[in-house]
Amino acid sequence: DAGVTQSPTHLIKTRGQQVTLRCSPKSGHDTVSWYQQALGQGPQFIFQYYEEEERQRGNFPDRFSGHQFPNYSSELNVNALLLGDSALYLCASSLANYGYTFGSGTRLTVV
Amino acid sequence: KQEVTQIPAALSVPEGENLVLNCSFTDSAIYNLQWFRQDPGKGLTSLLLIQSSQREQTSGRLNASLDKSSGRSTLYIAASQPGDSATYLCAVMGNTGFQKLVFGTGTRLLVSP
Repeated sequence: DAGVTQSPTHLIKTRGQQVTLRCSPKSGHDTVSWYQQALGQGPQFIFQYYEEEERQRGNFPDRFSGHQFPNYSSELNVNALLLGDSALYLCASSLANYGYTFGSGTRLTVV
Repeated sequence: KQEVTQIPAALSVPEGENLVLNCSFTDSAIYNLQWFRQDPGKGLTSLLLIQSSQREQTSGRLNASLDKSSGRSTLYIAASQPGDSATYLCAVMGNTGFQKLVFGTGTRLLVSP
């Protein structure tokens, strides 16, 4: 049973560029959430998708946007990258609220 | 606003010791609490999930307790091993609708042979 799959694993971008990160949820899960984890910090909630709609959003600017597809997979897009966007981006999937399964993350470095 | 605190921030013990990691949260209106393990640069591995109606959960050498009224949870690791070295994160979920996880900053554990 495949868990949560994220791609790519590592990414280097230049300030001002745009990036798209991808996530495939665990089989049977219908909700996808995205988190940003800066070095030495706990993950911070970006947003959550359910039934192809954004259900909740954390304290992140509009430069962060997302999408969920009919097969429950999801994308995270970040526009106009800043140095401070460098972090580990984690995708988590769940079925309703019963426990989250996290992927291995995408390490984004903005130079 | 829910805030989660983990103490200690770092812990170094010799192999074989029993140890306790602490997690506290400010809002007791939670749906569940989850403990995760994170190896350096990696994703999160779920260790234990405790629903708000439960007092504890056990898995192998791990035991997690929850005291919702006092806003506290502990993760007990028995007979620690070098392979237990990692960062341990505590996260709580609120009890209204589809809710986000709110994480602590973690406890970095080093178990020496």
